Amino acid sequence: DADVTQTPRNRITKTGKRIMLECSQTKGHDRMYWYRQDPGLGLRLIYYSFDVKDINKGEISDGYSVSRQAQAKFSLSLESAIPNQTALYFCATSDGRPGRAQYFGPGTRLLVL
Amino acid sequence: AQSVTQPDIHITVSEGASLELRCNYSYGATPYLFWYVQSPGQGLQLLLKYFSGDTLVQGIKGFEAEFKRSQSSFNLRKPSVHWSDAAEYFCAVAGGYGGSQGNLIFGKGTKLSVKP
Repeated sequence: DADVTQTPRNRITKTGKRIMLECSQTKGHDRMYWYRQDPGLGLRLIYYSFDVKDINKGEISDGYSVSRQAQAKFSLSLESAIPNQTALYFCATSDGRPGRAQYFGPGTRLLVL
Repeated sequence: AQSVTQPDIHITVSEGASLELRCNYSYGATPYLFWYVQSPGQGLQLLLKYFSGDTLVQGIKGFEAEFKRSQSSFNLRKPSVHWSDAAEYFCAVAGGYGGSQGNLIFGKGTKLSVKP
């Protein structure tokens, strides 16, 4: 089984709808991250969480919110989706050691019409 | 501020040829550096990482990278490319947002195409 899973893998929604993307991990890591990927822009950090009670905004948090329900679960919500939120979204995890690598889920492809 | 530059947006090489993907970083201290690969329709997979010590690091799938502090570079190499190496490659440095250390800053990626 994959260490980092994301649901759904693909989603089409309409402008103004609320949508939630979910991430679960079995790696036992404390830290979890949400990124979006757009062609030519690489990965940009939306939110990150160092533990259940520690949530921080990343580079592009406007229009997004998150919830860390447990150590293993980190959800990303779009309260009112807009077309420029169409992107590929990745969840990642890492442990707390210096220079730690991040491990990525398979991604959720979101289309907002 | 920390940053990562991958100068080449797209590179095409012939199968069996050698490969070098460039990465330059800006970071005030000794960096932690990473290379990730993203195959079409897949997530990012860690190829290799540099923390300290030997400046030539070996990774999976026959890749290696060399850290050159004087050039602020961490270029990825492979002596003989296989068709399955066609993918997008991302260089990253451990930096920080809002004073938080350890968050990765990614380059914009280099897409590798492999000719038969």
